[in-house]
Amino acid sequence: AQKITQTQPGMFVQEKEAVTLDCTYDTSDPSYGLFWYKQPSSGEMIFLIYQGSYDQQNATEGRYSLNFQKARKSANLVISASQLGDSAMYFCAMREGAGGFKTIFGAGTRLFVKA
Amino acid sequence: GAVVSQHPSWVICKSGTSVKIECRSLDFQATTMFWYRQFPKQSLMLMATSNEGSKATYEQGVEKDKFLINHASLTLSTLTVTSAHPEDSSFYICSAQTTGTLVTGELFFGEGSRLTVL
Repeated sequence: AQKITQTQPGMFVQEKEAVTLDCTYDTSDPSYGLFWYKQPSSGEMIFLIYQGSYDQQNATEGRYSLNFQKARKSANLVISASQLGDSAMYFCAMREGAGGFKTIFGAGTRLFVKA
Repeated sequence: GAVVSQHPSWVICKSGTSVKIECRSLDFQATTMFWYRQFPKQSLMLMATSNEGSKATYEQGVEKDKFLINHASLTLSTLTVTSAHPEDSSFYICSAQTTGTLVTGELFFGEGSRLTVL
């Protein structure tokens, strides 16, 4: 069975500093995808970054990078140079198998960026 | 980019009535759409997978007779909450995949629909 764990209910970070949001996962499928989504207070879900289980390099998208440690089954999100607009809920998610399969989400981490 | 539109954004209804929520892919065809439910300050829980032209696949514990899903075209999926009760009040959000993201599985989400049942 799939499982996504986010152990940080809330995180604070000073503006312009970097922050790491933790995510661990559990799956027996060798092929899977890991995602991070951002949900502002308005409610919409915004895709941030993707890491495939066979990808050799950590994914990066602008200020977002994914620290993928396969042996530890962790997929932490690193946000560099935090901005006030980064304050939101962040969800780690996993999709097992090839594309088109369902995606499950972790409990989420609420990030607060302080000015 | 891929745009998914959901309507209505807000709906308030009386207990016992039915409510229909529409999810449209505006600039792409979505053979598969997913319906999620999110309670306040909680995560997204997958309710069902909607496949165009076939019956939806419901997750364990989700009442298929209460949450009717229809995916009649490649751009439209609907969720109907039948005989709604206050405990059905929640944030319902749909998502879709494009053919370009079938490999990665990246989801594009609608804006969500907040249902309040009085």
